[in-house]
Amino acid sequence: DAKTTQPPSMDCAEGRAANLPCNHSTISGNEYVYWYRQIHSQGPQYIIHGLKNNETNEMASLIITEDRKSSTLILPHATLRDTAVYYCIVRANFGNEKLTFGTGTRLTIIP
Amino acid sequence: NAGVTQTPKFQVLKTGQSMTLQCAQDMNHNSMYWYRQDPGMGLRLIYYSASEGTTDKGEVPNGYNVSRLNKREFSLRLESAAPSQTSVYFCASSERGRRTGELFFGEGSRLTVL
Repeated sequence: DAKTTQPPSMDCAEGRAANLPCNHSTISGNEYVYWYRQIHSQGPQYIIHGLKNNETNEMASLIITEDRKSSTLILPHATLRDTAVYYCIVRANFGNEKLTFGTGTRLTIIP
Repeated sequence: NAGVTQTPKFQVLKTGQSMTLQCAQDMNHNSMYWYRQDPGMGLRLIYYSASEGTTDKGEVPNGYNVSRLNKREFSLRLESAAPSQTSVYFCASSERGRRTGELFFGEGSRLTVL
């Protein structure tokens, strides 16, 4: 699986959009970008994933650059409950059962 | 629908003792996983099972054994616990195919080895 690079921490004001970047310059054609978050010491929670098109669901939007070397997770209206560690993960969806977590970005939402 | 259930939630062991962490899922998922998370670190994969009857090593398998008892249950055993195994252990499950990467995690089992 390709390696990802994320900033260790970020702050965002409550009510504003939180934009979390991720670099994955060695991503290959069959690898997807996944985002998870971990609130306090709970188990990680799946947020969203995509291959090359932008994706949106009820939790967030995922913007993947045209060359697929980087992506941004967008939380459109951040709330205090969005304070968490966010993990960006790259993996192939078939023939590979492993999901490898890095150290992620600690996002703090400020009142 | 409880999702992924882990037991016990907390455990304290002495060095050399053995124990088994239990995990069960009720989502009819084929794949199951055991991760550990040390303070301030990301999750590291210990073992995984792509289907009933199969298991494979992850990043940090040493000191652990696993059993995929049936489709629902995946247990993690520490035969001789060491202080280095003090950690939070997470079990997870996922479907196969298109949604393989969407893991559902349990609440974690916090293990302290003295």
